[in-house]
Amino acid sequence: QKEVEQNSGPLSVPEGAIASLNCTYSDRGSQSFFWYRQYSGKSPELIMFIYSNGDKEDGRFTAQLNKASQYVSLLIRDSQPSDSATYLCAVYEYGNKLVFGAGTILRVKS
Amino acid sequence: EAQVTQNPRYLITVTGKKLTVTCSQNMNHEYMSWYRQDPGLGLRQIYYSMNVEVTDKGDVPEGYKVSRKEKRNFPLILESPSPNQTSLYFCASSQGQGAYGYTFGSGTRLTVV
Repeated sequence: QKEVEQNSGPLSVPEGAIASLNCTYSDRGSQSFFWYRQYSGKSPELIMFIYSNGDKEDGRFTAQLNKASQYVSLLIRDSQPSDSATYLCAVYEYGNKLVFGAGTILRVKS
Repeated sequence: EAQVTQNPRYLITVTGKKLTVTCSQNMNHEYMSWYRQDPGLGLRQIYYSMNVEVTDKGDVPEGYKVSRKEKRNFPLILESPSPNQTSLYFCASSQGQGAYGYTFGSGTRLTVV
């Protein structure tokens, strides 16, 4: 059983700041990593995917992967109140089985 | 519009009364999955399917059944629901392995009394 760990938060940041969300995983063989955003009462929405070591940028979002240290992070630049949500880290297993962390609550204060 | 459709959105039932939650996707995805979400536990996979007639257990399959007779449909069956199956359920689909994330349905909030 692979484990995906996230700090539950809440992580509070002021509007315009950088929010940094972290995730660690237990299986060194994991190859693909996903970040989902989930607003309260809504379904998870895929926002980033990364599989290579290093950084991947998409707009205000940057995913960072370090396989040697077994962590993946998500940076949100210029945070907005609309970014307030729960962010879920997920790790791909064989058979397209995604294992999710419990999520980190992000609150962006205006 | 590409989407995963679940029904019903809300359901209150009594212990032991069989129920089915339907799931349908219109994206011709091969992979489909059911998750339940509980506070503090996150999303846990119940069952998944890699193609028609191909299903496998996830992390919490006890008390659930699934079938995949058509590519677009993946119903979740609770033969004898119990209160510990009270949860928020999500159906999801994906076009392939690894590089493709799941697209989630809107969710079904089930209460078993």
